[in-house]
Amino acid sequence: EPEVTQTPSHQVTQMGQEVILRCVPISNHLYFYWYRQILGQKVEFLVSFYNNEISEKSEIFDDQFSVERPDGSNFTLKIRSTKLEDSAMYFCASSMSLAETQYFGPGTRLLVL
Amino acid sequence: KNEVEQSPQNLTAQEGEFITINCSYSVGISALHWLQQHPGGGIVSLFMLSSGKKKHGRLIATINIQEKHSSLHITASHPRDSAVYICAARYSGGGADGLTFGKGTHLIIQP
Repeated sequence: EPEVTQTPSHQVTQMGQEVILRCVPISNHLYFYWYRQILGQKVEFLVSFYNNEISEKSEIFDDQFSVERPDGSNFTLKIRSTKLEDSAMYFCASSMSLAETQYFGPGTRLLVL
Repeated sequence: KNEVEQSPQNLTAQEGEFITINCSYSVGISALHWLQQHPGGGIVSLFMLSSGKKKHGRLIATINIQEKHSSLHITASHPRDSAVYICAARYSGGGADGLTFGKGTHLIIQP
């Protein structure tokens, strides 16, 4: 069964450093999403991506964040200058359309020191 | 503001019991999702529904549009059902691609 994959599974970085989180969505899906979950809190929507551009973004997705689909298979989330409060689990998801089920990747656990 | 509220926050039950988890949401959703989050953090979609009832194995999800309420039921619960169950809504209208999540219900089934 096709699945969403994410790399790395864990990343530790120093405050102020740039990080890139990578996702490979399910191949025939058209919508891609990033969510984050701070430890002990609920999952929060960051951004959705369709047709090679951002479709919607939340208040959390400020100028420090960017997304890209560089090569037709990968979908990346970049945090330019990490802060301590960026420490969280980041989930990628994909779906065929907005009206269909979103399939989640296993997540990347980011720790900013 | 679009919200999703779940209850109970924590639930401990004995193996074999019938489990109900409740979710309420604001007006204007296009779909309601139930998801399962394992201890390692991975999220699995269980159901997506916009009306009526869906069943998969021992899991049943229902939604009442008029009351803005959904329930997830587990019949003949088993320790392997222990997980966090999350309700999430997709609100309709412009700028509503992402899901709005509830805080989750932490379910423990004891043998």
